[in-house]
Amino acid sequence: RKEVEQDPGPFNVPEGATVAFNCTYSNSASQSFFWYRQDCRKEPKLLMSVYSSGNEDGRFTAQLNRASQYISLLIRDSKLSDSATYLCVAQNNNDMRFGAGTRLTVKP
Amino acid sequence: EAQVTQNPRYLITVTGKKLTVTCSQNMNHEYMSWYRQDPGLGLRQIYYSMNVEVTDKGDVPEGYKVSRKEKRNFPLILESPSPNQTSLYFCASSLSQGAWETQYFGPGTRLLVL
Repeated sequence: RKEVEQDPGPFNVPEGATVAFNCTYSNSASQSFFWYRQDCRKEPKLLMSVYSSGNEDGRFTAQLNRASQYISLLIRDSKLSDSATYLCVAQNNNDMRFGAGTRLTVKP
Repeated sequence: EAQVTQNPRYLITVTGKKLTVTCSQNMNHEYMSWYRQDPGLGLRQIYYSMNVEVTDKGDVPEGYKVSRKEKRNFPLILESPSPNQTSLYFCASSLSQGAWETQYFGPGTRLLVL
């Protein structure tokens, strides 16, 4: 079983839609959590950290549920430029575990 | 400009021919690491280094070596590459261990071992 699991998608949504990605992690000792964005054939880039209280950055909202070992990312008012693969990450000390990614395509 | 650079970006080689992928960062970061990315598996850490002369194994270190003689450089060495090392490799650096929000990735090196 993978330590971090994500629905691979693809998610195909129209511009302006709201889309949610989910991620589960198996290591209950994980301390920090992140969402990364990866464009095709490019390097991953940090999108946002995920805090226990939940956090929002513009159109993006991340939530963490430690009891269920579950992380989510909500994107509101999707833009064409949001098309990418979104990677969920759970970190424990030096151990960063990446999910395989969820692919999002936003269509006009 | 803050960046992590990798060379080469693309490499085709044959089984058994030693190769080195270089990684360099200009941000004076202490922590550096190497990952490989394969379809359906996500990024997996190969080796990491918390500072000069301090390296340790990650998740999938078999078949790889690293060195950290200078703070800015962290080369990945494949002494005898095999086809199962065909992958997309990323180098990353962060200010220190734990400062994950400062982590930058290099542009990637696409390796094909025949």
